[in-house]
Amino acid sequence: EPEVTQTPSHQVTQMGQEVILRCVPISNHLYFYWYRQILGQKVEFLVSFYNNEISEKSEIFDDQFSVERPDGSNFTLKIRSTKLEDSAMYFCASSWDSGNGGYTFGSGTRLTVV
Amino acid sequence: QKEVEQNSGPLSVPEGAIASLNCTYSDRVSQSFFWYRQYSGKSPELIMSIYSNGDKEDGRFTAQLNKASQYVSLLIRDSQPSDSATYLCAVWFSGGYNKLIFGAGTRLAVHP
Repeated sequence: EPEVTQTPSHQVTQMGQEVILRCVPISNHLYFYWYRQILGQKVEFLVSFYNNEISEKSEIFDDQFSVERPDGSNFTLKIRSTKLEDSAMYFCASSWDSGNGGYTFGSGTRLTVV
Repeated sequence: QKEVEQNSGPLSVPEGAIASLNCTYSDRVSQSFFWYRQYSGKSPELIMSIYSNGDKEDGRFTAQLNKASQYVSLLIRDSQPSDSATYLCAVWFSGGYNKLIFGAGTRLAVHP
């Protein structure tokens, strides 16, 4: 069964450092997403991406965040200057349709900011 | 603000019983509704989708949707200890909002 692949599975970084989280969505999917889940809290929407541009973003997704699809397969989330409160599990997801199909999630990257 | 509400639980049921999980949502324009299962430390896994009023059955799972009441439910028949997880209700809000929003989840514990 096709799957969404995320790397690394765990990243520890110093506060103020830049991190890049990587994702390989399912190959025939057209829509790509990043979500995050702070420990013990709900899964929160960050951003959606379609046709090489951001289609929706949440209030969490401020100027410190950016997304990119640098080639035909990878989808990345960059956090420019990490803060302690950025520590969370970050999930990449993809779908073939924006709303009429469920999203397939990757296994996540646990980001720890120290 | 688009909201998806769930009782956080834990919901404790004996093995073999029916587990009933409920979800309400705040917007009438929503068209797509999903149930995800999340084991501790893992990613959400899609188990059911429902788009029209009524019931939809898939194996031991039945999703129920009532758009007039803005209510979605998931029934798990013959509950097994392996069903112990957090169940996330997710609603895709349309009409310019265009995002999948999750509830906080209901933790289900199935005891032998």
